[in-house]
Amino acid sequence: GENVEQHPSTLSVQEGDSAVIKCTYSDSASNYFPWYKQELGKRPQLIIDIRSNVGEKKDQRIAVTLNKTAKHFSLHITETQPEDSAVYFCAASYGNKLVFGAGTILRVKS
Amino acid sequence: SQTIHQWPATLVQPVGSPLSLECTVEGTSNPNLYWYRQAAGRGLQLLFYSVGIGQISSEVPQNLSASRPQDRQFILSSKKLLLSDSGFYLCAWSVLSGRRNTEAFFGQGTRLTVV
Repeated sequence: GENVEQHPSTLSVQEGDSAVIKCTYSDSASNYFPWYKQELGKRPQLIIDIRSNVGEKKDQRIAVTLNKTAKHFSLHITETQPEDSAVYFCAASYGNKLVFGAGTILRVKS
Repeated sequence: SQTIHQWPATLVQPVGSPLSLECTVEGTSNPNLYWYRQAAGRGLQLLFYSVGIGQISSEVPQNLSASRPQDRQFILSSKKLLLSDSGFYLCAWSVLSGRRNTEAFFGQGTRLTVV
């Protein structure tokens, strides 16, 4: 079935360190992989996305990598700052649907 | 520009009462529409999605139903709420452009507490 596994569920890093969140998906036909950030009590907002014809995409301190063969993709945040603290969700497209991972609570300690 | 409206922002309802949450989208035609639920401290569970008027796909069996009476209107309903229906409900829209999925945009969410 359609499934997105996300790890870890919680992640604590020291300010300035890097954070990596990993996701796997089940359907090789998935072609769109967005990452969302959700601050407490607010709606999820897109921070970066990648399509299946690209292996890596970078936007300032944030990067996403995709391994289609292994069906996994990762979010990398470098030089973390306290304002990066939030819940991060990965998602994968299944036809018209976006199925989300369970989320990762990222805490950046200053 | 496209916008999504979801209301109400918060709702407290007694067990057994009905529910109606509404979501409307402006600035786009024939969007894909979604209802997600987020239990406290947990992930986004897809409840329903719709690719067109009157077309509803249910992802999980439950006490809820959805309807799409107009192209840009999506309604989440229940005849009798359960305590377990409490959560943060998010409406979202996206566009399938050709064969390419696009970003999903979320409404502000409705925090439902069933008491």
